[in-house]
Amino acid sequence: ETGVTQSPTHLIKTRGQQVTLRCSSQSGHNTVSWYQQALGQGPQFIFQYYREEENGRGNFPPRFSGLQFPNYSSELNVNALELDDSALYLCASTPGQGAGEQYFGPGTRLTVT
Amino acid sequence: AQSVTQLGSHVSVSEGALVLLRCNYSSSVPPYLFWYVQYPNQGLQLLLKYTSAATLVKGINGFEAEFKKSETSFHLTKPSAHMSDAAEYFCAVSSRFMDSNYQLIWGAGTKLIIKP
Repeated sequence: ETGVTQSPTHLIKTRGQQVTLRCSSQSGHNTVSWYQQALGQGPQFIFQYYREEENGRGNFPPRFSGLQFPNYSSELNVNALELDDSALYLCASTPGQGAGEQYFGPGTRLTVT
Repeated sequence: AQSVTQLGSHVSVSEGALVLLRCNYSSSVPPYLFWYVQYPNQGLQLLLKYTSAATLVKGINGFEAEFKKSETSFHLTKPSAHMSDAAEYFCAVSSRFMDSNYQLIWGAGTKLIIKP
């Protein structure tokens, strides 16, 4: 059983640009969640997908969007990047509808300059 | 709405001493409670989880946690700290937000510092 993988590991973007972060969930895990973790803080819930549909969202603006694909991969897209978007972005997958433990990827470190 | 409080953003203990990291949840008993650990520049790793099967839960690396419903607590302990335990620890609870869907509600984290 493979773990959760994320790409890229690190990314540097300029304010105003757009970015796509990718995640590959564990096989059979129907739920994927995305988190933003700013330096020195806990994870902040961005949104969650279950069977390719968004079924929960945290306090993030619409310029944060996502997709989940049938092959257990998913994307986080961020438009019009702002300096405050600089953070570690974590993807986590869960079997079923998300009640159990989440399996985390290593994260993507995004720096916006 | 469910919330999680971790008392102490930083906890410092000597190597070999008892580790106690505190976590309290706010409302009705959640279906699951978790402790995760995060080492610098890494993702989150599950230490242990409570699923109502037993109130004392044993996890990896010698950690354990006890669920106390009367105190709405789920504190993490380890009898003897090791230098390799230095990391940030997060408590989380699962919370239903619609129908059968759940999300994790996270505490702010506690950074564990081990003194030689």
